[in-house]
Amino acid sequence: AQKITQTQPGMFVQEKEAVTLDCTYDTSDPSYGLFWYKQPSSGEMIFLIYQGSYDQQNATEGRYSLNFQKARKSANLVISASQLGDSAMYFCAMREVNTGFQKLVFGTGTRLLVSP
Amino acid sequence: GAVVSQHPSRVICKSGTSVKIECRSLDFQATTMFWYRQFPKQSLMLMATSNEGSKATYEQGVEKDKFLINHASLTLSTLTVTSAHPEDSSFYICSAIGTANTEAFFGQGTRLTVV
Repeated sequence: AQKITQTQPGMFVQEKEAVTLDCTYDTSDPSYGLFWYKQPSSGEMIFLIYQGSYDQQNATEGRYSLNFQKARKSANLVISASQLGDSAMYFCAMREVNTGFQKLVFGTGTRLLVSP
Repeated sequence: GAVVSQHPSRVICKSGTSVKIECRSLDFQATTMFWYRQFPKQSLMLMATSNEGSKATYEQGVEKDKFLINHASLTLSTLTVTSAHPEDSSFYICSAIGTANTEAFFGQGTRLTVV
């Protein structure tokens, strides 16, 4: 079964607008962490934001915020005031604490294109 | 954030030869390192998890004898692709996590081309 689902293969947004990238997850582990990474064309993986399953507040990091809806098992990334440099692949990932190895499982990614 | 350095960034090798890729955590001790493989326009697929001083745990379908992983110290893990073939051509990327870290930090990745 797919652990992490990103249903949007591609998204377009105009500069300065906000965009939401969807992510749903599946786990029976009560303790888990959710991550978003950005991968530009250079290939490096850039950590953006983290949300723990027990966190009461939605995580925010600058222009990035995570819309965490635990009951719906969704962890959407919101990018406010998009910039041209935000064009990249975005991956949602989950870490189940009880696996013991803290490995990350990634979704298939969403390619974001920001236009002027 | 913490820095993970991966080397080389690009390598071209002849079919049948072996290639070693290094992953170093520069400013923290990595208790666990992960090796991923990424095909073009696809997601990262976990190959193996390695803990310092112990044998790596490979994901299902990953050949242990083909992809040798060594994690001899808290700052260095290596992936050796043995007897490489063109189908091994891919983007390989490592990540590391330390005891104090919540997130995993990634290396820059290695683009391997086997000709």
